[in-house]
Amino acid sequence: DTAVSQTPKYLVTQMGNDKSIKCEQNLGHDTMYWYKQDSKKFLKIMFSYNNKELIINETVPNRFSPKSPDKAHLNLHINSLELGDSAVYFCASSQPGRPYGYTFGSGTRLTVV
Amino acid sequence: AQTVTQSQPEMSVQEAETVTLSCTYDTSESDYYLFWYKQPPSRQMILVIRQEAYKQQNATENRFSVNFQKAAKSFSLKISDSQLGDAAMYFCAYSPGNTGKLIFGQGTTLQVKP
Repeated sequence: DTAVSQTPKYLVTQMGNDKSIKCEQNLGHDTMYWYKQDSKKFLKIMFSYNNKELIINETVPNRFSPKSPDKAHLNLHINSLELGDSAVYFCASSQPGRPYGYTFGSGTRLTVV
Repeated sequence: AQTVTQSQPEMSVQEAETVTLSCTYDTSESDYYLFWYKQPPSRQMILVIRQEAYKQQNATENRFSVNFQKAAKSFSLKISDSQLGDAAMYFCAYSPGNTGKLIFGQGTTLQVKP
């Protein structure tokens, strides 16, 4: 199936741990994104990569580090997890500058205890 | 700053009736896109409808249509013949120019009563 797939779907971890969320798309899109949906359901962009190059970094703490090994993959690594990092993280992809072609992954619910 | 405001945290509609969800946005850009996304309890983000700012004609997708008022910076979503499956959270989103970035409103939870 053509899609944006994220793993894992659920992640429960303790404060202070380091964790990664993986994202892969097979749509041939050049641009990939990470969005965070907080406990109040508010969605906000974190990062955007275009063909492995960082385009958008929305003042996210340095503990969050995206990595794009190729244009089909954009992983999110989080160091020293805090309670406030608990949220749903969405990966998405599109063609450059064409938001109407957005495809979202199904989200990863991260719970920090 | 570019912002999107959805002033209705919750809305309710009777099955088969029509409901309108409100959205306003603030921007100084002339080239942008507007969207409505649906998020059911499964949390999947589903595109409902989109509108390019340069198009004067309001977008329509089956039972979903928008009222795009560019001068007023208003972009409301009308759902006709509401169905139980329409129950979800609806997000209005704005994307400036060719950035690809989506700026979301706070969301409106729609309840559909049988």
